[in-house]
Amino acid sequence: QVQLQESGPGLVKPSETLSLTCTVSGGSMNSYYWTWIRQPPGKGLEWIGYIYSSGATNYNPSLKSRVTISLDTSTNQFSLKLTSLTAADTAVYYCARDHGWYSTGYYFLDYWGQGSLVTVSS
Amino acid sequence: DIQMTQSPSSLSASVGDGVTITCRASQNIRNFVNWYQQKSGKAPTLLIYGASTLQSGVPSRFSGSGSGTDFTLTISSLQPEDFATYYCQQTYSAPRTFGQGTRVEIK
Repeated sequence: QVQLQESGPGLVKPSETLSLTCTVSGGSMNSYYWTWIRQPPGKGLEWIGYIYSSGATNYNPSLKSRVTISLDTSTNQFSLKLTSLTAADTAVYYCARDHGWYSTGYYFLDYWGQGSLVTVSS
Repeated sequence: DIQMTQSPSSLSASVGDGVTITCRASQNIRNFVNWYQQKSGKAPTLLIYGASTLQSGVPSRFSGSGSGTDFTLTISSLQPEDFATYYCQQTYSAPRTFGQGTRVEIK
């Protein structure tokens, strides 16, 4: 059974950089898209971006100038960096596996971490 | 970006009721739509992908339909464990946007 677990600080100061890591267990990281999603308190889901096992990335244009997603398959981890934080970045951050088939074009988030609440405050 | 608009934003229903949630895309996305269920304080879980394919282990009372710009999620007979928030997501193009969610509450 694939499991994902986010780790990182729960409190970050405004203007600083958020760094979160997602550890994947129970399966290979090869041939999947590894995704970050966030959810501000009481609000909906926002797709941040993904990294493919080859290292190719795709980011939400609304965050692109501040986001970096990286991958380390030797440790079965992928990471999120978000710079220049403001209170609007306060959210639960989820990591997830994006699985699908190139032949059909269907992709979906089939395994999620439990989520990590990050609060931006001085 | 493709906008996904869900309706209603919330609804109240009783156990045993049938419920339909609608998701409209801002452009043709063929059938590249997924549906997720999120219970309070938990991560979302996948219900349906490709607009109508039930994820393994999901009860058959859930069904999805639609193509192009209009999609629906139907719960044929609400069970107590179905009271949650439901989200659609398009995977036609990046960014893979979500609808704003539909909260299903107990009447």
